[in-house]
Amino acid sequence: QKEVEQNSGPLSVPEGAIASLNCTYSDRGSQSFFWYRQYSGKSPELIMFIYSNGDKEDGRFTAQLNKASQYVSLLIRDSQPSDSATYLCAVNIGQTGANNLFFGTGTRLTVIP
Amino acid sequence: GAVVSQHPSWVICKSGTSVKIECRSLDFQATTMFWYRQFPKQSLMLMATSNEGSKATYEQGVEKDKFLINHASLTLSTLTVTSAHPEDSSFYICSATRISGSADTQYFGPGTRLTVL
Repeated sequence: QKEVEQNSGPLSVPEGAIASLNCTYSDRGSQSFFWYRQYSGKSPELIMFIYSNGDKEDGRFTAQLNKASQYVSLLIRDSQPSDSATYLCAVNIGQTGANNLFFGTGTRLTVIP
Repeated sequence: GAVVSQHPSWVICKSGTSVKIECRSLDFQATTMFWYRQFPKQSLMLMATSNEGSKATYEQGVEKDKFLINHASLTLSTLTVTSAHPEDSSFYICSATRISGSADTQYFGPGTRLTVL
Protein backbone atom coordinates (compact mmCIF):
# COMPACT_ATOMS: atom_id res chain seq x y z
CA GLN A 1 0.00 0.00 0.00
CA LYS A 2 1.35 3.38 -0.99
CA GLU A 3 1.78 5.92 1.76
CA VAL A 4 -0.01 8.67 -0.14
CA GLU A 5 -2.48 8.05 -2.93
CA GLN A 6 -4.05 10.40 -5.42
CA ASN A 7 -6.14 9.88 -8.50
CA SER A 8 -3.81 10.64 -11.38
CA GLY A 9 -6.61 12.13 -13.45
CA PRO A 10 -6.77 13.95 -15.70
CA LEU A 11 -9.52 15.89 -14.01
CA SER A 12 -11.26 18.35 -16.30
CA VAL A 13 -13.53 21.11 -15.08
CA PRO A 14 -15.03 24.08 -16.89
CA GLU A 15 -13.82 27.55 -16.09
CA GLY A 16 -15.62 28.95 -13.05
CA ALA A 17 -16.46 25.56 -11.58
CA ILE A 18 -15.16 24.02 -8.37
CA ALA A 19 -12.33 21.55 -8.75
CA SER A 20 -12.07 18.92 -6.04
CA LEU A 21 -8.81 17.05 -5.55
CA ASN A 22 -8.54 14.17 -3.13
CA CYS A 23 -5.72 12.42 -1.33
CA THR A 24 -5.63 9.50 1.09
CA TYR A 25 -2.77 8.47 3.32
CA SER A 26 -1.85 5.32 5.16
CA ASP A 27 -0.23 6.46 8.41
CA ARG A 28 -2.88 7.33 10.97
CA GLY A 29 -0.26 9.19 13.00
CA SER A 30 0.48 11.75 10.28
CA GLN A 31 0.26 15.31 11.51
CA SER A 32 1.16 17.61 8.62
CA PHE A 33 -0.42 17.82 5.20
CA PHE A 34 0.58 19.93 2.22
CA TRP A 35 -0.72 20.75 -1.22
CA TYR A 36 1.71 21.75 -3.95
CA ARG A 37 1.02 22.84 -7.51
CA GLN A 38 3.41 21.89 -10.29
CA TYR A 39 3.21 23.37 -13.75
CA SER A 40 4.69 21.34 -16.58
CA GLY A 41 8.47 21.67 -16.62
CA LYS A 42 8.54 23.59 -13.34
CA SER A 43 9.20 22.66 -9.75
CA PRO A 44 6.40 22.34 -7.17
CA GLU A 45 5.18 25.44 -5.40
CA LEU A 46 3.43 25.36 -2.05
CA ILE A 47 -0.26 26.25 -2.12
CA MET A 48 -1.15 25.60 1.49
CA PHE A 49 -0.72 23.32 4.44
CA ILE A 50 -3.12 22.04 7.05
CA TYR A 51 -2.52 20.46 10.42
CA SER A 52 -5.93 20.34 12.10
CA ASN A 53 -9.14 18.56 11.22
CA GLY A 54 -11.63 20.66 9.34
CA ASP A 55 -11.34 23.29 6.66
CA LYS A 56 -8.68 25.88 6.00
CA GLU A 57 -9.36 28.58 3.44
CA ASP A 58 -6.89 30.73 1.54
CA GLY A 59 -8.39 32.78 -1.25
CA ARG A 60 -9.94 30.45 -3.81
CA PHE A 61 -8.35 27.41 -2.19
CA THR A 62 -9.78 25.36 0.66
CA ALA A 63 -7.97 22.42 2.21
CA GLN A 64 -10.07 19.89 4.08
CA LEU A 65 -8.61 17.37 6.50
CA ASN A 66 -10.34 14.36 7.98
CA LYS A 67 -7.89 12.42 10.10
CA ALA A 68 -10.43 9.77 11.10
CA SER A 69 -10.95 8.88 7.44
CA GLN A 70 -7.32 9.59 6.57
CA TYR A 71 -7.97 11.87 3.69
CA VAL A 72 -7.17 15.41 2.77
CA SER A 73 -8.69 17.33 -0.10
CA LEU A 74 -8.18 20.58 -1.94
CA LEU A 75 -11.04 22.58 -3.37
CA ILE A 76 -10.42 25.26 -5.96
CA ARG A 77 -13.32 27.65 -6.38
CA ASP A 78 -13.92 29.67 -9.52
CA SER A 79 -11.37 27.57 -11.41
CA GLN A 80 -9.30 29.42 -13.97
CA PRO A 81 -7.35 28.09 -16.97
CA SER A 82 -4.21 29.18 -15.12
CA ASP A 83 -5.05 26.61 -12.45
CA SER A 84 -4.33 23.85 -14.98
CA ALA A 85 -1.42 21.97 -13.46
CA THR A 86 -0.55 18.85 -11.52
CA TYR A 87 -1.46 19.03 -7.85
CA LEU A 88 0.69 17.11 -5.42
CA CYS A 89 -0.46 16.01 -2.01
CA ALA A 90 2.30 15.59 0.55
CA VAL A 91 2.05 14.04 3.98
CA ASN A 92 4.58 13.95 6.77
CA ILE A 93 4.45 10.30 7.71
CA GLY A 94 4.81 9.67 11.40
CA GLN A 95 6.34 13.02 12.31
CA THR A 96 5.38 16.62 12.73
CA GLY A 97 6.62 19.40 10.55
CA ALA A 98 7.72 19.30 6.94
CA ASN A 99 10.62 16.88 6.96
CA ASN A 100 10.17 13.39 5.62
CA LEU A 101 7.36 14.27 3.27
CA PHE A 102 5.78 11.53 1.21
CA PHE A 103 4.34 12.76 -2.04
CA GLY A 104 1.45 11.38 -3.99
CA THR A 105 1.88 10.92 -7.71
CA GLY A 106 -0.23 14.00 -8.35
CA THR A 107 -3.54 14.76 -10.01
CA ARG A 108 -3.47 16.55 -13.32
CA LEU A 109 -6.13 19.25 -13.50
CA THR A 110 -7.29 20.85 -16.71
CA VAL A 111 -9.58 23.88 -16.55
CA ILE A 112 -11.43 24.30 -19.81
CA PRO A 113 -12.10 27.90 -20.90
CA GLY B 1 6.83 32.25 0.72
CA ALA B 2 10.43 31.41 1.33
CA VAL B 3 12.92 31.52 -1.52
CA VAL B 4 15.10 28.63 -2.57
CA SER B 5 17.38 29.02 -5.56
CA GLN B 6 19.21 26.49 -7.70
CA HIS B 7 22.09 26.90 -10.05
CA PRO B 8 22.38 26.16 -12.86
CA SER B 9 18.82 26.03 -14.14
CA TRP B 10 19.89 23.75 -16.95
CA VAL B 11 23.07 22.01 -17.99
CA ILE B 12 24.15 19.88 -20.91
CA CYS B 13 27.25 17.76 -20.49
CA LYS B 14 29.11 14.92 -22.13
CA SER B 15 28.90 11.41 -20.81
CA GLY B 16 31.53 10.75 -18.17
CA THR B 17 31.79 14.28 -16.86
CA SER B 18 30.71 15.49 -13.44
CA VAL B 19 28.10 18.14 -12.82
CA LYS B 20 27.60 20.16 -9.66
CA ILE B 21 24.22 21.64 -8.76
CA GLU B 22 23.87 24.24 -6.01
CA CYS B 23 20.84 24.77 -3.82
CA ARG B 24 20.56 27.87 -1.66
CA SER B 25 17.99 29.04 0.82
CA LEU B 26 18.01 32.78 0.29
CA ASP B 27 16.03 34.19 3.18
CA PHE B 28 16.20 31.52 5.85
CA GLN B 29 18.54 28.97 7.31
CA ALA B 30 17.90 25.35 6.53
CA THR B 31 19.41 22.59 8.61
CA THR B 32 17.79 20.09 6.29
CA MET B 33 17.59 20.15 2.53
CA PHE B 34 16.32 17.49 0.19
CA TRP B 35 17.23 16.40 -3.31
CA TYR B 36 14.63 15.00 -5.65
CA ARG B 37 14.70 13.71 -9.17
CA GLN B 38 11.81 13.75 -11.58
CA PHE B 39 11.68 12.02 -14.94
CA PRO B 40 9.19 13.22 -17.58
CA LYS B 41 5.58 12.58 -16.65
CA GLN B 42 6.59 10.85 -13.44
CA SER B 43 6.29 11.83 -9.82
CA LEU B 44 8.95 13.29 -7.58
CA MET B 45 11.43 10.78 -6.27
CA LEU B 46 13.37 11.63 -3.14
CA MET B 47 17.04 10.89 -3.64
CA ALA B 48 18.57 12.00 -0.37
CA THR B 49 18.25 14.13 2.71
CA SER B 50 21.05 16.60 3.24
CA ASN B 51 21.86 17.57 6.80
CA GLU B 52 24.06 20.55 7.60
CA GLY B 53 27.37 19.44 9.02
CA SER B 54 26.77 15.72 8.66
CA LYS B 55 26.52 13.02 6.03
CA ALA B 56 23.54 12.87 3.76
CA THR B 57 20.98 10.11 4.08
CA TYR B 58 20.32 8.38 0.78
CA GLU B 59 17.15 6.63 -0.28
CA GLN B 60 17.27 3.00 -1.22
CA GLY B 61 18.63 2.49 -4.71
CA VAL B 62 20.45 5.83 -4.89
CA GLU B 63 24.21 5.44 -5.20
CA LYS B 64 25.92 7.68 -2.69
CA ASP B 65 29.22 7.50 -4.54
CA LYS B 66 27.59 8.69 -7.74
CA PHE B 67 25.46 11.44 -6.25
CA LEU B 68 27.69 13.32 -3.85
CA ILE B 69 25.96 15.69 -1.47
CA ASN B 70 27.60 18.36 0.61
CA HIS B 71 25.74 20.60 3.03
CA ALA B 72 28.52 22.83 4.26
CA SER B 73 26.43 25.69 5.57
CA LEU B 74 22.91 26.45 6.71
CA THR B 75 22.09 28.02 3.36
CA LEU B 76 23.88 25.85 0.82
CA SER B 77 23.71 22.25 -0.27
CA THR B 78 25.36 20.87 -3.39
CA LEU B 79 24.66 17.77 -5.42
CA THR B 80 27.41 16.48 -7.67
CA VAL B 81 26.50 13.92 -10.29
CA THR B 82 29.76 12.11 -10.91
CA SER B 83 30.57 10.39 -14.20
CA ALA B 84 27.19 11.30 -15.59
CA HIS B 85 25.56 9.06 -18.17
CA PRO B 86 22.54 9.60 -20.42
CA GLU B 87 20.29 7.73 -17.98
CA ASP B 88 21.08 10.42 -15.40
CA SER B 89 19.33 12.99 -17.58
CA SER B 90 16.49 14.27 -15.48
CA PHE B 91 15.01 17.23 -13.63
CA TYR B 92 16.77 17.64 -10.29
CA ILE B 93 14.96 19.64 -7.66
CA CYS B 94 16.08 20.62 -4.20
CA SER B 95 13.96 21.72 -1.31
CA ALA B 96 14.60 23.20 2.09
CA THR B 97 12.62 23.16 5.28
CA ARG B 98 11.87 26.51 6.81
CA ILE B 99 11.08 26.16 10.47
CA SER B 100 8.56 28.62 11.84
CA GLY B 101 7.06 27.65 15.17
CA SER B 102 4.76 24.72 14.54
CA ALA B 103 4.34 25.51 10.87
CA ASP B 104 7.61 24.39 9.34
CA THR B 105 7.23 24.05 5.63
CA GLN B 106 9.23 22.62 2.77
CA TYR B 107 9.97 24.96 -0.14
CA PHE B 108 11.29 23.88 -3.51
CA GLY B 109 13.93 25.38 -5.71
CA PRO B 110 13.18 25.99 -9.39
CA GLY B 111 14.96 22.83 -10.48
CA THR B 112 17.92 21.98 -12.68
CA ARG B 113 17.39 20.20 -15.95
CA LEU B 114 20.35 17.93 -16.69
CA THR B 115 20.92 16.51 -20.14
CA VAL B 116 23.79 14.08 -20.58
CA LEU B 117 24.80 13.47 -24.18
